[in-house]
Amino acid sequence: DQQVKQNSPSLSVQEGRISILNCDYTNSMFDYFLWYKKYPAEGPTFLISISSIKDKNEDGRFTVFLNKSAKHLSLHIVPSQPGDSAVYFCAARLNSGGSNYKLTFGKGTLLTVNP
Amino acid sequence: KAGVTQTPRYLIKTRGQQVTLSCSPISGHRSVSWYQQTPGQGLQFLFEYFSETQRNKGNFPGRFSGRQFSNSRSEMNVSTLELGDSALYLCASSPAGLVYGYTFGSGTRLTVV
Repeated sequence: DQQVKQNSPSLSVQEGRISILNCDYTNSMFDYFLWYKKYPAEGPTFLISISSIKDKNEDGRFTVFLNKSAKHLSLHIVPSQPGDSAVYFCAARLNSGGSNYKLTFGKGTLLTVNP
Repeated sequence: KAGVTQTPRYLIKTRGQQVTLSCSPISGHRSVSWYQQTPGQGLQFLFEYFSETQRNKGNFPGRFSGRQFSNSRSEMNVSTLELGDSALYLCASSPAGLVYGYTFGSGTRLTVV
C-alpha cells in the first residue's frame, strides 16, 4: 500500500522555465510534507517543507503547494537551472505519538534541466 | 558540525554471505533510520532506532536487522544475502523532535554477486 505516490518517474524541462513536480498521498493523518533532492552517489538533502495547516511555502526559487482536499502537493522550481537536475523525493510525516514520527517517501522523480 | 557518516561506502558480497553496515549520526541526534534505495522502488523504510530501541519497522524480511549503541551509532545487518539485496542503503539521523526531517548520510552501495 503506497501512501505517497509520485506518478511521474521523470521530467525534462528547459533552463529558465518552470519545473513542476507532483505528489499524491492517501493518509489524511500526515501532518508535514517534505521534499528532498538527491544527486547520484549522495544521500538525499532536505529542500523545503510544508505543514498540513498551510497551503503554500516559498523559499527562493522553490515553492511547495498543498491541496489537502485533493491530497496533492506540488513543488515548483522557478527558474529551473541545470544544477537542479536530480531525483526529487516527496515525503510525508506521520506522528505516532510523543516524539515518534515516521517519514514515508515516494519513489522519486528524476528532473533533467536542459541548458 | 560533522554530518552523518556511513561506512563502508562500497561493498561487494557473494550470495549467501552476511554483511554489516555502520552509521554514525550527527552528534546529539538520538534517532537513526535506515532506508533501502533501488531504482524501481525509491526509498523504502527498513527500521528506526531511538535510544537503543527499535521504534518503527518496515516490511522487510527478518534477514534484515539492526541495533543502536549507547552513543547512538547504529549498525544494520543483512544475513543470507540475495541478489535482490543489491541497493544503496541510506542512514538518516534526526533529533528527537523530527521537525524538519532527517539528515541523510551518503549511503553504502551494496552489490551482491
